[in-house]
Amino acid sequence: KNEVEQSPQNLTAQEGEFITINCSYSVGISALHWLQQHPGGGIVSLFMLSSGKKKHGRLIATINIQEKHSSLHITASHPRDSAVYICARGIQGAQKLVFGQGTRLTINP
Amino acid sequence: KAGVTQTPRYLIKTRGQQVTLSCSPISGHRSVSWYQQTPGQGLQFLFEYFSETQRNKGNFPGRFSGRQFSNSRSEMNVSTLELGDSALYLCASSLNWGSIPYEQYFGPGTRLTVT
Repeated sequence: KNEVEQSPQNLTAQEGEFITINCSYSVGISALHWLQQHPGGGIVSLFMLSSGKKKHGRLIATINIQEKHSSLHITASHPRDSAVYICARGIQGAQKLVFGQGTRLTINP
Repeated sequence: KAGVTQTPRYLIKTRGQQVTLSCSPISGHRSVSWYQQTPGQGLQFLFEYFSETQRNKGNFPGRFSGRQFSNSRSEMNVSTLELGDSALYLCASSLNWGSIPYEQYFGPGTRLTVT
């Protein structure tokens, strides 16, 4: 079993829909990272959080430390949000990351 | 500030050869991590460096090695290439290293194809 599990693996939605991607982890973390990867490979860090909730524009990330669960929400989704979203747990005492398998999101116009 | 740069961006090598990939972190960043991404295994940690010292190594054979220079630039080397080493190799830099987590900034990656 992977230390970091994401669901769903694939998600297709219509423009404007509210999107939720879930991430569960089985061991302690220093922080939980949400990353975005577009075709071509470049990875962008969206959020790093260790408690509560963060918001950037239409993106919201939440984490529940007791339940070892995090969610990434996208409001008013747009075709340009189409990408692979990856959650990763930070290892305590280091900077290395352990990654989930990613969620491929496709937003149709 | 310029982002993380990686060279070369694309590389084609044959089995048995060796390869060196380079990563220049964001100016002022002192920690560099390397990751391998393949369709089958996803993203996997290779190694991380801080202050010219390897702090952690992932579960990869000894053919994979790396180093960090005094200016924080890092290189990784893969010797005796195998077909399975074909992957996207990503490096990420962060401001510092230690018990406090830091945001990681990824480079564009080097796509290595082994034929």
